[in-house]
Amino acid sequence: SQKIEQNSEALNIQEGKTATLTCNYTNYSPAYLQWYRQDPGRGPVFLLLIRENEKEKRKERLKVTFDTTLKQSLFHITASQPADSATYLCALGNTGGFKTIFGAGTRLFVKA
Amino acid sequence: DTAVSQTPKYLVTQMGNDKSIKCEQNLGHDTMYWYKQDSKKFLKIMFSYNNKELIINETVPNRFSPKSPDKAHLNLHINSLELGDSAVYFCASSPPGLAGTSTDTQYFGPGTRLTVL
Repeated sequence: SQKIEQNSEALNIQEGKTATLTCNYTNYSPAYLQWYRQDPGRGPVFLLLIRENEKEKRKERLKVTFDTTLKQSLFHITASQPADSATYLCALGNTGGFKTIFGAGTRLFVKA
Repeated sequence: DTAVSQTPKYLVTQMGNDKSIKCEQNLGHDTMYWYKQDSKKFLKIMFSYNNKELIINETVPNRFSPKSPDKAHLNLHINSLELGDSAVYFCASSPPGLAGTSTDTQYFGPGTRLTVL
């Protein structure tokens, strides 16, 4: 069955450093991959989408890579800030939409 | 000017009761969804609706019945509530893609925390 794996352990980093989160998947060939941010008690918020024919995408301090051979995406936050502390969810989907599969998320703590 | 809203935010009820959760989006999107997030934080899709029509039903027990009176609303009615139904339920919507598809970039509501005692 389709499976998405994200680091279940929390990631603790110092302010100013680069945070790198990993998303691995199996038994799936997604047309695109998304990253969402979720704060406690709130719904997920869309951050970035990268398509299967794209290797890398950037938005401000965020960078996402997508390796369809390794079946892996890396999500980077450069110059991290305490306000970046949240849970980050990886999600996969196919063209046509309607069904997105989410990972369980990785909790990020950025210490001042 | 909330984009996706849900009511109520909290719902505490006894086993066996019937309850409803309402969702409204003012984004003009064609596609709406219901997700369940359990205690392990997995966000699992339950239903997808496109233009008021059911597209995806992810083997959800038929005690759960979604209803879409119009494109802006997708309500969730749950009959005979069970302990295992306790979770946070999220509504979401997404803009249309090409030819009746969805772009799948989703806008989530704030969630409804359901506790079944």
